[in-house]
Amino acid sequence: GNSVTQMEGPVTLSEEAFLTINCTYTATGYPSLFWYVQYPGEGLQLLLKATKADDKGSNKGFEATYRKETTSFHLEKGSVQVSDSAVYFCALISEGGGNKLTFGTGTQLKVEL
Amino acid sequence: EAQVTQNPRYLITVTGKKLTVTCSQNMNHEYMSWYRQDPGLGLRQIYYSMNVEVTDKGDVPEGYKVSRKEKRNFPLILESPSPNQTSLYFCASRRQGDSYEQYFGPGTRLTVT
Repeated sequence: GNSVTQMEGPVTLSEEAFLTINCTYTATGYPSLFWYVQYPGEGLQLLLKATKADDKGSNKGFEATYRKETTSFHLEKGSVQVSDSAVYFCALISEGGGNKLTFGTGTQLKVEL
Repeated sequence: EAQVTQNPRYLITVTGKKLTVTCSQNMNHEYMSWYRQDPGLGLRQIYYSMNVEVTDKGDVPEGYKVSRKEKRNFPLILESPSPNQTSLYFCASRRQGDSYEQYFGPGTRLTVT
């Protein structure tokens, strides 16, 4: 079946630091890949997505590239802000996996001044 | 405004007292699902529905029921809640297909004593 593995948190960074959150996956077929963000007390929001190999998803300064050869979809941001503090979830969906969205366990990011 | 709504947002109840958490979406989405979020476990799918009168079990369906009588509504029913169902619950919806964004409700925090 499908699975997603994320680096464990919490990740604590100073403002303006570079962020990488690792995500690797195992999937049946050719999955679409997503990063969702959950701000405190809220539901999940789609941050970015990529639907085929070598696609780069980007939004709000965050980027992730779909790497089929390494089955990875690492999230990066060049300069984080305090307002980026949240929990980040990597996820995938594939037709071979029953069209079900499979999530990683989430990585909490804390950005300090 | 496109949205998924859930009610109630917070609920404290006692073991064995039947409860229903409502979920409604206004985007005419075919696919709806319920997740529970627990620390260290990420989001796990409870049940999903691919359209009206079509429902199926997710990864953790024990102790839950659902129904899909109308396209917009997908209530989650706990016939006899137990303390291990204390969790944060999210409803979500999306268009059918593997690359569409999934929209989440704001969450329902359930405590069973």
